[in-house]
Amino acid sequence: TQLLEQSPQFLSIQEGENLTVYCNSSSVFSSLQWYRQEPGEGPVLLVTVVTGGEVKKLKRLTFQFGDARKDSSLHITAAQPGDTGLYLCAGGRSNFGNEKLTFGTGTRLTIIP
Amino acid sequence: EPEVTQTPSHQVTQMGQEVILRCVPISNHLYFYWYRQILGQKVEFLVSFYNNEISEKSEIFDDQFSVERPDGSNFTLKIRSTKLEDSAMYFCASSADPGWAGELFFGEGSRLTVL
Repeated sequence: TQLLEQSPQFLSIQEGENLTVYCNSSSVFSSLQWYRQEPGEGPVLLVTVVTGGEVKKLKRLTFQFGDARKDSSLHITAAQPGDTGLYLCAGGRSNFGNEKLTFGTGTRLTIIP
Repeated sequence: EPEVTQTPSHQVTQMGQEVILRCVPISNHLYFYWYRQILGQKVEFLVSFYNNEISEKSEIFDDQFSVERPDGSNFTLKIRSTKLEDSAMYFCASSADPGWAGELFFGEGSRLTVL
């Protein structure tokens, strides 16, 4: 069974601070996706990384896929209250055929104004 | 903006009853999925569906579960005889392409409560 552990599970920081959320596994994934989920809604895709060592930026969010494709990180610069939410990483096993995602345990982020 | 829609948003049922959760995927998508999230736990894959047949299913998706695409628009998940542990939020998702190239679009979920 493939497992993805996210840390921290909960994070509460002041507006303007930087933060990093980690997603770790002992398994290799062909792709790693980050989602954000609001209460009462489904996950919304933020980014997909597929190459070991890949770094992608989405405004103040920086996503990195580990060299061995077993881990990933999400770094937020100058956090804003609008960043508050549940962040999920999800690993994919194959880059062809139907994708079965293994979701992480989630990091609930709260940005205090 | 196209979206995946799910009905009902919340269903309460008695243990042992049959439940059908409905989903309307994005119209030009070809790959369909059901995931579930038990309260406080992580999102779990149930089943993927392509070309009118199941592509892959998890160990959760036992004989009590079935999926169907009865017409060109709906994609349904049926639970034949619900158990207490089936209580969860069920998410439908669809994608235009397979694998990592295809972004999964999730619906807002159907909350199932089994009493």
